[in-house]
Formats: sequence, C-alpha cells, structure tokens
Amino acid sequence: GQSLEQPSEVTAVEGAIVQINCTYQTSGFYGLSWYQQHDGGAPTFLSYNALDGLEETGRFSSFLSRSDSYGYLLLQELQMKDSASYFCAVKRYSTLTFGKGTMLLVSP
Amino acid sequence: DVKVTQSSRYLVKRTGEKVFLECVQDMDHENMFWYRQDPGLGLRLIYFSYDVKMKEKGDIPEGYSVSREKKERFSLILESASTNQTSMYLCASSLVSAADGVEQYFGPGTRLTVT
Repeated sequence: GQSLEQPSEVTAVEGAIVQINCTYQTSGFYGLSWYQQHDGGAPTFLSYNALDGLEETGRFSSFLSRSDSYGYLLLQELQMKDSASYFCAVKRYSTLTFGKGTMLLVSP
Repeated sequence: DVKVTQSSRYLVKRTGEKVFLECVQDMDHENMFWYRQDPGLGLRLIYFSYDVKMKEKGDIPEGYSVSREKKERFSLILESASTNQTSMYLCASSLVSAADGVEQYFGPGTRLTVT
C-alpha cells in the first residue's frame, strides 16, 4: 500500500519560519510535490523534488531525502496570506497521490 | 495563464439521478484528472486521462465513469448518485513536459450535494 503522513495543523506568527514535514511509504516513487490551497480556493502548485536536496523558490523551499522517505516544505518570513492548507503529494508513475493536508495558521 | 473551468460551482441532485460534471482546459494539456476532496481526507484521484478517448482508474473509481471525446474536455459521470458522493469535485490538467506532469492546474471545483 501507500501512505503519506503530515501534521494536521501548524501555527506560527508573522515573520517566523515554519517547516511542514511529510513522510511517505509508496511503491514506484518518482518525486515529491507540494501544493497550497487557500480556504475556498483551488490547489496551486508550489514545488517538485525529483532528486534529493533542497529546492528554493523565493520564500518557499522544499527538501527531499529519498533514503529516509521524507520531505519538508520550509516557509520563511511568514505572511498572513500564507495561512492555507499545504499538501504533499508523491508522484507515482503518471499520477499524484496527495496527503491529507496541513493547515497553517499564521497569526499577527 | 492556464484556465481550467468547471461547469457548475454548486450542484444539488437527488439520490439515483445521473450527474454530469464537465471540465474544460484551454492550454492544450495532455493530462486531465478528476479528484474529490473531503474534509480530513485530502484529494483522492477518481479517474485520469492522458489522451483523447483514453482513461485510467484512479484510487476511488467505484460509482463513477468518465468521458474524454475532445482534448480540452473531460467529463465525470455519476451513473446513479448516492449520498456518499456528496463532496467537492476538482478537475485538473497538466502538461506532460512541465515538471514531468506534476504541475497540475486545478479548476475552482464543484460542490455536489446529493439528497
């Protein structure tokens, strides 16, 4: 079978740094992706790691360790608009399998 | 900008009705997907299609079928709606060559209620 584990909720304050972890168990693993979804909105693509290491895109970074079946999304200089749900998703063959999501609450 | 549109934002149907949910994308993407999203369960893949007239079952295809007669349009069909199909339905599309098809563009979703 396959499974993805991520925390259900994370809280942080504006300006802080937060890390959302994702562990996975799956066959046919190609890479790990992250999506953001604001309340009432559609999911939007943030990043994709096919290889081990850190990928940086502005305030957001994503990390993958294939040997540990683990990845994380790092959000720096948090802003109120970062309050949203964040989903990790593993790419298997030609599809994505999503985790249950982490709700990030950013307070002033 | 890629645009994925879905035929309805909200839909209320009765148990046993046949329901059609339509999705159109305007960027010539090869791949199209149908997901349902339920609180605490994340997004679950129902069906996907990688080409016209091609379809593959996702993780939860039971009770659903799909149709892709044109590249830009992907329809989800509930043959006989049941109350456990009350959910948010999200359509997505992706280009195979962009991030290995991982970068999916989602529509706004259809919130379906079956009574």
